[in-house]
Amino acid sequence: EIVLTQSPDFQSVTPEEKVTITCRASQNIGTSLHWYQQKPDQSPKLLIKYASQSFSGVPSRFSGSGSGTDFTLTINSLEAEDAATYYCHQSSSLPFTFGPGTKVDIK
Amino acid sequence: QVQLQESGPGLVRPSETLSLTCTVSDYSISSGYYWGWIRQPPGKGLEWIGSFYHGGSTYYNPSLKSRVTISVDTSKNQFSLKLSSVTAADTALYYCARQEYTYSSLDYWGQGTLVTVSS
Repeated sequence: EIVLTQSPDFQSVTPEEKVTITCRASQNIGTSLHWYQQKPDQSPKLLIKYASQSFSGVPSRFSGSGSGTDFTLTINSLEAEDAATYYCHQSSSLPFTFGPGTKVDIK
Repeated sequence: QVQLQESGPGLVRPSETLSLTCTVSDYSISSGYYWGWIRQPPGKGLEWIGSFYHGGSTYYNPSLKSRVTISVDTSKNQFSLKLSSVTAADTALYYCARQEYTYSSLDYWGQGTLVTVSS
């Protein structure tokens, strides 16, 4: 099973600040890495698929990069509505697995 | 766009079988895509349970495989999850979702339904 680790666990940021979240895979997964945003009491929503492809309707301030074992989700110019927990997810091999999440709080 | 909605009992007794249904709107399950179940214990992270392709393969998380069955009813455009011999550790929010390919992202999710295992 591929294990995903995320850092940091928690980040408190001010509006307009840049946020960087990393996800590391326990083995090479190519670009089969996806990012989701989950706000309190809501289901996860797909932001980025295949490491760097923005999903339909996602604001342009969200971007992703990386390949192999190291990946990054970047939120440029954070907005208050971006307060959420962010998860990475690998679909390179079964069973699909998720990272533990990074909670982003607005100062 | 496609919409998914989970339904089922919110309380299940220990050792019994958890049964949930996902109703899909604005897209026919038999037309394609993969469909799956994911769960999230309260305050914790996400765990993939299993996925299927109508007319094709079904695959499960090995950690749950001995207790899980996913099936489909195309006449109702629904798919279902059954998890047997439940314990308190199975208490979670259960989500259904759509995935584009066998090995792909989960692009649309239901709102989730909370199932509590308790006597």
